[in-house]
Order: sequence, then C-alpha cells, then structure tokens
Amino acid sequence: EAGVTQSPTHLIKTRGQQATLRCSPISGHTSVYWYQQALGLGLQFLLWYDEGEERNRGNFPPRFSGRQFPNYSSELNVNALELEDSALYLCASSMGPSYGYTFGSGTRLTVV
Amino acid sequence: AQKITQTQPGMFVQEKEAVTLDCTYDTSDQSYGLFWYKQPSSGEMIFLIYQGSYDEQNATEGRYSLNFQKARKSANLVISASQLGDSAMYFCAISDSNYQLIWGAGTKLIIKP
Repeated sequence: EAGVTQSPTHLIKTRGQQATLRCSPISGHTSVYWYQQALGLGLQFLLWYDEGEERNRGNFPPRFSGRQFPNYSSELNVNALELEDSALYLCASSMGPSYGYTFGSGTRLTVV
Repeated sequence: AQKITQTQPGMFVQEKEAVTLDCTYDTSDQSYGLFWYKQPSSGEMIFLIYQGSYDEQNATEGRYSLNFQKARKSANLVISASQLGDSAMYFCAISDSNYQLIWGAGTKLIIKP
C-alpha cells in the first residue's frame, strides 16, 4: 500500500512568488492535514480538509490556502511568499484520530 | 484549549537502556487521544503509539509503551532496549474535538553506542 506522497521534495522560490505543494493521501483516507515545521520548531497546524471541504484552519494568514480534490488529494498554496515561510511542510492523512495520522516525507520550501 | 508540554529538550541514553520521554497535557475535553511520533533527521513523521482517554490499559506497540496517568494528565513514552536507530526527535500530541493535533515542542533523543 502506498503511503502519503508529497511533491515536490524541495522547492526554492523568491520572495513575493507563489508556491504550490501537493499531497496524495493513503487510499481510503478522506482527511488531509497540512502542517508547517520551521527549522528547530514543532509542528504548527495549517489546514484540515475532509470530503473536499476545509474543516479547520490554524492561525495563519489568508495567503495560506488550499483545496482538496474529489480523489482526496490536496494542494497547499502559499501566496506572496515571505522569507519566514521557509519551512518543512508536512501533509498527513487519516481515517480518524484513533488510527493515527500517517505523514508524508514533506516538502522543504526555501524562500530566498 | 489543549496544550502539550514536553519538558526535556534533549536526552542522551546509552544503547540498550530503557528511556522515558515525558509528556504532560492540559485539556478540558472528556474524550481525547494522545499520540507519539518520531521524526528522524530525514524529516518524515512516524506514528509510534496512540492512547485514547477512555482506554484503561496502557498502549503498547513493540518496544514502545505509553505510561498513561490520567489523573496526573501525563502520557510518557517508554522505549525499552534502545537502539542507535531510535535517535530522533520525539513529539507528543493530543487530538481535540475537531481532530486537530496539538503538538509539544519535542524531545531530541540521542542514543550513544
């Protein structure tokens, strides 16, 4: 069974540009979660999508947005990139909390 | 609001020894879940173990066990017979009523040969 896949693995953008990160959940998982992990810090919750709808978002500005497609894959878009957006972005999928969340390997975004 | 506290920013442990990673939590929910994840230097988050708030038995998964003390709001991770490959960051998390995970700051575990 394929795990959670994220692309690209690495992404370098300049300040002011837009970044698009992609995530494919495990087959059968309908929930997708996005997290930001800045260097040396813990995970900060960004967005939760379930059945195509945004269910919850963390304390991030509106330039962080995303969507979930009918096949449950998801995109995270970051507009007007700032230097402090440089971080590891992790996607996780789940059937429900008691099953645990399966994470992808992440996309390392560097803003220069 | 939920909160997770991991008081050990870093630990050194001799190979083959057991290690306990501390985690305390704060929540007003009656029903919640507690998780431990491992993050090696590669960055991937690896699910280790889960404990539901109504589970009476402590969760165990191979060499991992969770010492759940509900009254003390404590959910420590115990790793028995540590191995060099256990060197990683370890994160404790609690799920809220929206299934959102609230994370601790993590503990960096280094296993010495």
